[in-house]
Order: sequence, then structure tokens, then C-alpha cells
Amino acid sequence: KAGVTQTPRYLIKTRGQQVTLSCSPISGHRSVSWYQQTPGQGLQFLFEYFSETQRNKGNFPGRFSGRQFSNSRSEMNVSTLELGDSALYLCASSSGLADNEQFFGPGTRLTVL
Amino acid sequence: AQTVTQSQPEMSVQEAETVTLSCTYDTSENNYYLFWYKQPPSRQMILVIRQEAYKQQNATENRFSVNFQKAAKSFSLKISDSQLGDTAMYFCAFSHTGTASKLTFGTGTRLQVTL
Repeated sequence: KAGVTQTPRYLIKTRGQQVTLSCSPISGHRSVSWYQQTPGQGLQFLFEYFSETQRNKGNFPGRFSGRQFSNSRSEMNVSTLELGDSALYLCASSSGLADNEQFFGPGTRLTVL
Repeated sequence: AQTVTQSQPEMSVQEAETVTLSCTYDTSENNYYLFWYKQPPSRQMILVIRQEAYKQQNATENRFSVNFQKAAKSFSLKISDSQLGDTAMYFCAFSHTGTASKLTFGTGTRLQVTL
């Protein structure tokens, strides 16, 4: 069974631009969660999508948004990039059931210049 | 809001020895999950072990075991017979049973296994 894939793996943008990151979950998984990892703030939950609906949300500004498609693939969008958005963005997929294990992807390293 | 605290930023252990990583958490909920994740230099986050709060028995996965003290809100990870491949960042994490996909992570402990 293929694991969670994230594209692209590395990305360089400039301040003010927008960016879209993609996550393909494990086949059969309906839940995708996104996390931001930075040296200063650590790992922080962004949001979770389940069956194309946002089910949980963390404490991030509205510049961070996401969506999920009918095949469970998810995208995360960050608009008006700031230097502080430089981070490793991880996505995790799971069945979405209460007793479920999350499987993480390799992450997308975003650098904002 | 729940918090997860890992008070050991870095630890070192010799190969074949045993090491214990500490984690404390704070929550007002009674039903939750606790996890230890490993993040090696390759950056791929891997689940090491999971504990359901309603289970009194400590979880064990091969060389990895936990000491879950619910009243003290403590959840330590013991790694026995340490191997070079155990070198990684270890994160303690928490989730409510109602929002199992929303993990709250500690700041991590960098473990170095040496010869």
C-alpha cells in the first residue's frame, strides 16, 4: 500500500505570494490533517478535512485555508506569504474513525524570502 | 486547552543501553489518547506507540514501552536495547477521543544513540 505523498517536497516563494501544497492520503483513508512545523513554535495543528468537509481547525489566520476533493486528496493554500510562514508542512492521513492511527507524509519544506 | 510538556530537549544513550524520555500533559478531559512519535533526520514522522487513557495497562511495542501515570498526567517512553537507528527527535502527543485527528505535540526530545 502506498504511503502518504506530498508535493512539492521543496518550495521557495517571496513575501506576498501565495502557495498551494498537495497531499495524497493512503488509499481508503478519508481524513487528512495538516500541521506546521517550525523551530520556534514546534508542531502545530492547522486543520483536518474529512469527506470533503473541514472537521477541525487550529488557531491560524484566515490566510491559511484548505480543501479536500472527492478522492480524499487535500490541498492547503497560504495567501499573502510572510517570512514567518517558512516551515515544514506535514500532512497526515487516517481512516477518520475515532480509534485511528495517523500516517504522516514526508512534508513540504516552504521557504519564504 | 491541553498542553504537552517535554522537559528534556536533548538526551544521549549508548548503544544497547536503556533510556527513558519524559512527558507530562495537562487536560481536563477523561477520555484521550497519548502517543510517542519519532522523527528521524529524514523528517518522516513515525508512530512509535499509543496509549488509550482508559486502559490501565501500559502499552508495549517490542523494545518500546510506556509508563502511563494518569493521576500524575505523566507518560514516559522507555527504549530498551537502544540501537543507532533510534537516533531521532521524539515527540509526545495528545488527542481527545472526540477529535482523534487533532494532535497536540510537545516540543520534542532529541535522542542521540552513540557507539
